[in-house]
Amino acid sequence: QKEVEQDPGPLSVPEGAIVSLNCTYSNSAFQYFMWYRQYSRKGPELLMYTYSSGNKEDGRFTAQVDKSSKYISLFIRDSQPSDSATYLCAMTPIYNQGGKLIFGQGTELSVKP
Amino acid sequence: DVKVTQSSRYLVKRTGEKVFLECVQDMDHENMFWYRQDPGLGLRLIYFSYDVKMKEKGDIPEGYSVSREKKERFSLILESASTNQTSMYLCASSVTGNSNQPQHFGDGTRLSIL
Repeated sequence: QKEVEQDPGPLSVPEGAIVSLNCTYSNSAFQYFMWYRQYSRKGPELLMYTYSSGNKEDGRFTAQVDKSSKYISLFIRDSQPSDSATYLCAMTPIYNQGGKLIFGQGTELSVKP
Repeated sequence: DVKVTQSSRYLVKRTGEKVFLECVQDMDHENMFWYRQDPGLGLRLIYFSYDVKMKEKGDIPEGYSVSREKKERFSLILESASTNQTSMYLCASSVTGNSNQPQHFGDGTRLSIL
């Protein structure tokens, strides 16, 4: 079993829809959680960075962490065609050798006009 | 602003060649990483380094080596390229040693081995 599970999709939604992207994990030591967005033929870019449980909002994006269920989510409100990309979750314990992150497989999202 | 630069966006090499992929970061980061990304397999860590001249194996180090002679530069070496090493290679860096900081990525090198 992988430490981090993420549905690879692809996920296709109409413009304006609310999108929910999710990851589950097995290691209870994970404390820091990140979401990356990767456009085609580009490197991943950091979208959200959160610590422990709770919600964090940044514009149309909300990151949610439920440590009791070992489950994290990224919500995108009023989705736009420009949100079409692959979204990767990543996580790590408080201390880890060399700053390694554990990544999910990535979910491919397509927002149709 | 954070900048990780990979020397080539696209590279075509032949089986058996020795291949060098270069990565430079300008943020004075201590940690640097090399990944490969393949459809259906996600990001897989090849090697990482948390200091100059230090290196650690990742999940798939076989067939690869690395070099970090200067803090800002991390090189990935394919000793004898094979067709199964055709992939997208991504370099990343992060701030300090044993940390929980985000990684910052370059735009990748798409390598084809013929």
